[in-house]
Amino acid sequence: ELKVEQNPLFLSMQEGKNYTIYCNYSTTSDRLYWYRQDPGKSLESLFVLLSNGAVKQEGRLMASLDTKARLSTLHITAAVHDLSATYFCAVDTGNQFYFGTGTSLTVIP
Amino acid sequence: DGGITQSPKYLFRKEGQNVTLSCEQNLNHDAMYWYRQDPGQGLRLIYYSQIVNDFQKGDIAEGYSVSREKKESFPLTVTSAQKNPTAFYLCASSSNQPQHPIDLPQHFGDGTRLSIL
Repeated sequence: ELKVEQNPLFLSMQEGKNYTIYCNYSTTSDRLYWYRQDPGKSLESLFVLLSNGAVKQEGRLMASLDTKARLSTLHITAAVHDLSATYFCAVDTGNQFYFGTGTSLTVIP
Repeated sequence: DGGITQSPKYLFRKEGQNVTLSCEQNLNHDAMYWYRQDPGQGLRLIYYSQIVNDFQKGDIAEGYSVSREKKESFPLTVTSAQKNPTAFYLCASSSNQPQHPIDLPQHFGDGTRLSIL
């Protein structure tokens, strides 16, 4: 059974600080996506990572993919309150999407 | 604009009642999915369909049923056999023949929040 594990599950960080969220998965795949979910809302696609070494950046968020290590990271730079949300990674095997457990991020002043 | 429409936004179920959640997409996507999300939890796959008139069970299909008679529509019925239906239900779709990388991830509807009366 394919497993997608994120850590940490909960993250509380101060504004202006940096932190990294990790997504480990247990099968071979070169397609990985990151989503954001605000409380009570649906999921919004953030990043599409399609090959080993892929790096994408949008504002204060940067995502990367290492297919050999089966690891993706979401790095937060100089956090601001607007980034408070739950972040999910999802592995695309071509047949199904497998979602991580989610990381609930709270940015405090 | 293209997208996924889920209705209703809120739904209440009486004991012993079946209820149906609607999911319609105009993205011309082949594949559609239903997920359940409990408070503070991740997404669990209920059913998915890669093509019209075909669907497969996900990880938690018991107590649910679906149909896929049209490409655009993938309704989910929560039956009385589902004893704990209170959750946030999300419908998603994806393309089997994406023209651009942005088409690869699943696109999600706004969700239906189901509660028991």
